[in-house]
Amino acid sequence: DIQMTQSPSSLSASIGDRVTITCRASQSITGYLNWFQQKPGKAPKLLIYAASSLQSGVPSRFSGSGSGTDFTLTISSLHPEDFATYYCQQSYSTPYTFGQGTKLEI
Amino acid sequence: EVQLVESGGGLLQPGRSLRLSCAASGFTFDNYAMHWVRQAPGKGLEWVSGISWNSGDIGYADSVKGRFTISRDNAKNSLYLQMNSLRAEDTALYYCAKDGAILEWLSNSGFDYWGQGTLVTVSS
Repeated sequence: DIQMTQSPSSLSASIGDRVTITCRASQSITGYLNWFQQKPGKAPKLLIYAASSLQSGVPSRFSGSGSGTDFTLTISSLHPEDFATYYCQQSYSTPYTFGQGTKLEI
Repeated sequence: EVQLVESGGGLLQPGRSLRLSCAASGFTFDNYAMHWVRQAPGKGLEWVSGISWNSGDIGYADSVKGRFTISRDNAKNSLYLQMNSLRAEDTALYYCAKDGAILEWLSNSGFDYWGQGTLVTVSS
């Protein structure tokens, strides 16, 4: 199975900050990498698919990059509603696997 | 409007069985792979199982293989998860999720719609 490792596990930041979350796969997944945002008590929301494609309706301050084994999610300027937990997920092979999550706090 | 509504959760003892359902609407159900994802209380997301648009491809997490069975009824726009030999570690909120790619398995389009989940609690 492919293991996904996110870093950091938690992150404190301020409104307006630029934030980067990294995700590493245990083997190459080419560009089969997705990013989700989850707020407390809510279902996850797709932000980025195929490593760098912005899901419809997602603000352009979110961006993704990477290929192979190393990927990043960047928020260019934090808004109050961005404080949440973020997960990466590989869809290269089953079982699909998620990273352990990164909790972004004020 | 796409809607995914899970049902069937509950409280039950270890070793028992349960069937979850997910009713889909607002899209052409038989064009998309579907997935179950779970989240134990206070924990992260775990992909449980997925099924292709025509049921020709199916996958399971190692933790549920041999105990859980995914299926779908395209005529009823419904997804199911039969859960047998339940364990305490299966306690979680179970989400139904739609794949973003039409007529694909192992797509690179992510899970673009999710239900609100149904809670399964396994405890003696």
